[in-house]
Amino acid sequence: KAGVTQTPRYLIKTRGQQVTLSCSPISGHRSVSWYQQTPGQGLQFLFEYFSETQRNKGNFPGRFSGRQFSNSRSEMNVSTLELGDSALYLCASSPHAPGGTGELFFGEGSRLTVL
Amino acid sequence: AQRVTQPEKLLSVFKGAPVELKCNYSYSGSPELFWYVQYSRQRLQLLLRHISRESIKGFTADLNKGETSFHLKKPFAQEEDSAMYYCSLYNFNKFYFGSGTKLNVKP
Repeated sequence: KAGVTQTPRYLIKTRGQQVTLSCSPISGHRSVSWYQQTPGQGLQFLFEYFSETQRNKGNFPGRFSGRQFSNSRSEMNVSTLELGDSALYLCASSPHAPGGTGELFFGEGSRLTVL
Repeated sequence: AQRVTQPEKLLSVFKGAPVELKCNYSYSGSPELFWYVQYSRQRLQLLLRHISRESIKGFTADLNKGETSFHLKKPFAQEEDSAMYYCSLYNFNKFYFGSGTKLNVKP
């Protein structure tokens, strides 16, 4: 099986712009979650989607949003970018529905640099 | 509130020495605990979970509910164990990660 695929891998934006990141989960996985990884902060949970519905959300401002499509692919969007949004954004998929714990399968991440 | 604390940002040991990566957590409810590992140039991946009570690559982790700890241990470190390790808690349908500990095993 192909692993979790994230695109683009690297991108540079300027303050005030917006960005959309894409994640294709492992075939058959219906749960997709997003994380922001920064040095010293570790991974911080952004949100989780299952069956095209957001099931959980972390403590991030409304500038961060996401969605999931019927084929389980997910996108996250960050509007009005700030310097502090520079980070590695990781997507993870799981064969389990929210509430059913299990292994997370991570993508390689999208590294966003905001200038 | 759920919180995972990894007090050491960097841990350096010599090959063959014992290693212990610390993880403490605060929680409500019935959390499940995991250790994830990220080797150089590889994806973050699951190392072990407390409910399995298994040993992976020689690593074990015991959940101590009294001390709210889930320390990762290995009796004899190998150079290939050098990686970034994240302790994770799953509760109320969310994963919470610590800030990570970089393990450096010196030859």
